[in-house]
Amino acid sequence: AQTVTQSQPEMSVQEAETVTLSCTYDTSESDYYLFWYKQPPSRQMILVIRQEAYKQQNATENRFSVNFQKAAKSFSLKISDSQLGDAAMYFCAYGVGNTGKLIFGQGTTLQVKP
Amino acid sequence: SAVISQKPSRDICQRGTSLTIQCQVDSQVTMMFWYRQQPGQSLTLIATANQGSEATYESGFVIDKFPISRPNLTFSTLTVSNMSPEDSSIYLCSAEWGGTEAFFGQGTRLTVV
Repeated sequence: AQTVTQSQPEMSVQEAETVTLSCTYDTSESDYYLFWYKQPPSRQMILVIRQEAYKQQNATENRFSVNFQKAAKSFSLKISDSQLGDAAMYFCAYGVGNTGKLIFGQGTTLQVKP
Repeated sequence: SAVISQKPSRDICQRGTSLTIQCQVDSQVTMMFWYRQQPGQSLTLIATANQGSEATYESGFVIDKFPISRPNLTFSTLTVSNMSPEDSSIYLCSAEWGGTEAFFGQGTRLTVV
């Protein structure tokens, strides 16, 4: 069975600085997707970034980028130029095949200090 | 992308009663999912709902407690039956899109007293 682990329950960063959130996963599959979702206090789950396992190039979306290490089964999220609006719970998630089903990590609460 | 409307957004219910949560997608999707998020915790998949067939439940979740309907490709409901305080959680529906991404409703915050 696949598992996702986020070992940082809480992180904090100064506004405009860079922060990295860690995520490791375990799977025996070769084809899968990895995601980072953001959940602000509104509860809405917002997709931050997606990585296809077959792609070697790390995904980037504006200030958000990932460091995908397939052999190490590591998928960290880097947030550059942190903004107050980035404060939220961040979930790393593993996408099971083409099912749309997701397995989530425990979450990391990110605090952004002005 | 898909826009998902979920209601109610929150409710306070008496123990022993049932609550039905509705999830409407603005386009047709093959698979819909129901997740539970207990206070301060991560999301756990309850079941997968496909149109025209019975829902597939994950380990630890049963149909009698969480009956699900999927009458068409844009709508699903989750009922939380015979509620107890342990059922107090956020319940979220999601819709798969192209097999590569899941979109979420805004969640239902349920408090059982």
